[in-house]
Amino acid sequence: EPEVTQTPSHQVTQMGQEVILRCVPISNHLYFYWYRQILGQKVEFLVSFYNNEISEKSEIFDDQFSVERPDGSNFTLKIRSTKLEDSAMYFCASSEGLAFSTDTQYFGPGTRLTVL
Amino acid sequence: AQRVTQPEKLLSVFKGAPVELKCNYSYSGSPELFWYVQYSRQRLQLLLRHISRESIKGFTADLNKGETSFHLKKPFAQEEDSAMYYCALEDGATNKLIFGTGTLLAVQP
Repeated sequence: EPEVTQTPSHQVTQMGQEVILRCVPISNHLYFYWYRQILGQKVEFLVSFYNNEISEKSEIFDDQFSVERPDGSNFTLKIRSTKLEDSAMYFCASSEGLAFSTDTQYFGPGTRLTVL
Repeated sequence: AQRVTQPEKLLSVFKGAPVELKCNYSYSGSPELFWYVQYSRQRLQLLLRHISRESIKGFTADLNKGETSFHLKKPFAQEEDSAMYYCALEDGATNKLIFGTGTLLAVQP
């Protein structure tokens, strides 16, 4: 069964550095998402992406963040100038983009980002 | 405001006992609700969604619009049900999922 994959599984970085988190969505899916979960808190929506552009973003997703689909398979989240409070588990998800039906989002295993 | 509330952080039951994981929601519209499960060291995976009205691994959940609830139930818990359970609401306009804080279910032998 196809799955969403994410790399790396754990990323440690120094405050102020840039990080890129990578995701490979399920191949026939059209919608892509990033969520994050700070330790002990709920999973929070960051951004959704469709047809090569951002379709929705949360207030967390400020100018520090950007997303890109650089090729036909990867979907990346870039965090510029990381802060301590960016330490969290970042989940990528994808969905088929079905019309007239509830779409199911399939999640990757997550990347644990630690900012020191 | 759109919100999902899971009042219990931890629910501990004995094997064979009934389980009910509570979920309440706040949404101005017709909600699409989901239960996701995360077993130890595994990814979030969909357990069930209200629109499909399925029973998965013996779990069921009924949408009660009057009480704005979507509680997850299983008549006889198994040890392998031990996991983190998240209730989620889909925002129909944006497709984003709004999650509750999760309930850790611990099934004791």
